[in-house]
Amino acid sequence: SQTIHQWPATLVQPVGSPLSLECTVEGTSNPNLYWYRQAAGRGLQLLFYSVGIGQISSEVPQNLSASRPQDRQFILSSKKLLLSDSGFYLCAWSGDRGSWRTDTQYFGPGTRLTVL
Amino acid sequence: LAKTTQPISMDSYEGQEVNITCSHNNIATNDYITWYQQFPSQGPRFIIQGYKTKVTNEVASLFIPADRKSSTLSLPRVSLSDTAVYYCLVGSGGYNKLIFGAGTRLAVHP
Repeated sequence: SQTIHQWPATLVQPVGSPLSLECTVEGTSNPNLYWYRQAAGRGLQLLFYSVGIGQISSEVPQNLSASRPQDRQFILSSKKLLLSDSGFYLCAWSGDRGSWRTDTQYFGPGTRLTVL
Repeated sequence: LAKTTQPISMDSYEGQEVNITCSHNNIATNDYITWYQQFPSQGPRFIIQGYKTKVTNEVASLFIPADRKSSTLSLPRVSLSDTAVYYCLVGSGGYNKLIFGAGTRLAVHP
């Protein structure tokens, strides 16, 4: 069965510091990968998605970036965090044989980031 | 991508049936309707998905009228643990990007 991991689970960082969040998927090949951010009490905002290694599409211009160095690894980064980067970051995958037609997404446990 | 509209919040009591309706007037022919559930500090979890008529699983039922411009998620006999945010999304296959709106915040009371 497929599983998705995110780490760290929680993170407190000062303004201006760098960021690296990692997401890995097991049990599937060539998944579509997504990064979302959720502010407190709000819906999910799609930040990036990737359909393959090295292929990244950005949905929202910001000081965040994403990379996909391996098929099942997705990394969210920032060189200098802003206060507004605080939130709950979720990684998701889709595209296994059963979900291809319907694009069902499966989410990781999330990382709660607080920028002080 | 089809836009969805659903109530911001709903209240219910334990043991009652809850119906959450979602409007998606611009749904495309190839779009499926999917509902997710999210508890605080967790990622959304897939609940149910359908294309037309009725779909039922061990958790919920999904009713979709013939014109497919709306859908209703039905939760039978809710319990306190069903308190969560429920998202309605429409999309089709491939790497289509699903858009999560604000969802419906369901509060189940004792």
